[in-house]
Amino acid sequence: NAGVTQTPKFQVLKTGQSMTLQCAQDMNHEYMSWYRQDPGMGLRLIHYSVGAGITDQGEVPNGYNVSRSTTEDFPLRLLSAAPSQTSVYFCASRQKNEQFFGPGTRLTVL
Amino acid sequence: GDSVTQMEGPVTLSEEAFLTINCTYTATGYPSLFWYVQYPGEGLQLLLKATKADDKGSNKGFEATYRKETTSFHLEKGSVQVSDSAVYFCAIDGSGGYNKLIFGAGTRLAVHP
Repeated sequence: NAGVTQTPKFQVLKTGQSMTLQCAQDMNHEYMSWYRQDPGMGLRLIHYSVGAGITDQGEVPNGYNVSRSTTEDFPLRLLSAAPSQTSVYFCASRQKNEQFFGPGTRLTVL
Repeated sequence: GDSVTQMEGPVTLSEEAFLTINCTYTATGYPSLFWYVQYPGEGLQLLLKATKADDKGSNKGFEATYRKETTSFHLEKGSVQVSDSAVYFCAIDGSGGYNKLIFGAGTRLAVHP
């Protein structure tokens, strides 16, 4: 099993650009989440999904969209990037009460 | 609302020293408690967990006990190694359940030979 994979590992955007952060898992987990990690703030939940076709907002959803068309994939879309979205983004899938995290995407918005 | 507070770092120790990283939480009900570890350049990995009062989670020489009376879940290790250098996060599942983990700010540990 590859576990949870994320692409790209690094990305630099200009303000106003759009992009999609990819996340995939091969463990057949129903539950998947996106977090952002900022210095001194731990991880904060952006969006999550309890299964294909079902998504919901987390603590900091503004500026981000998600969809879940398959069990395996859970992409995160930034429609119009802002400097405040500079962060490290982690995708996770969950089995019972354990979350499995991907390696992260470091995003810089200029 | 639910929250997690953990001691600020960085924590710098010599190899074989005793480690304590404090973690306290605020939550309604009785959340499950977790410690995650993040090694440089990697994602978070579950280190240990406890799901009810007085439970002790343990893994790789690390231990933490669920203390309901003090709402705490302090991480301890009797003898740290250089390979333990990482960032440690305390987390709870809170009122949102397992899909909505609430993390502390993280504590960076640096262990020197």
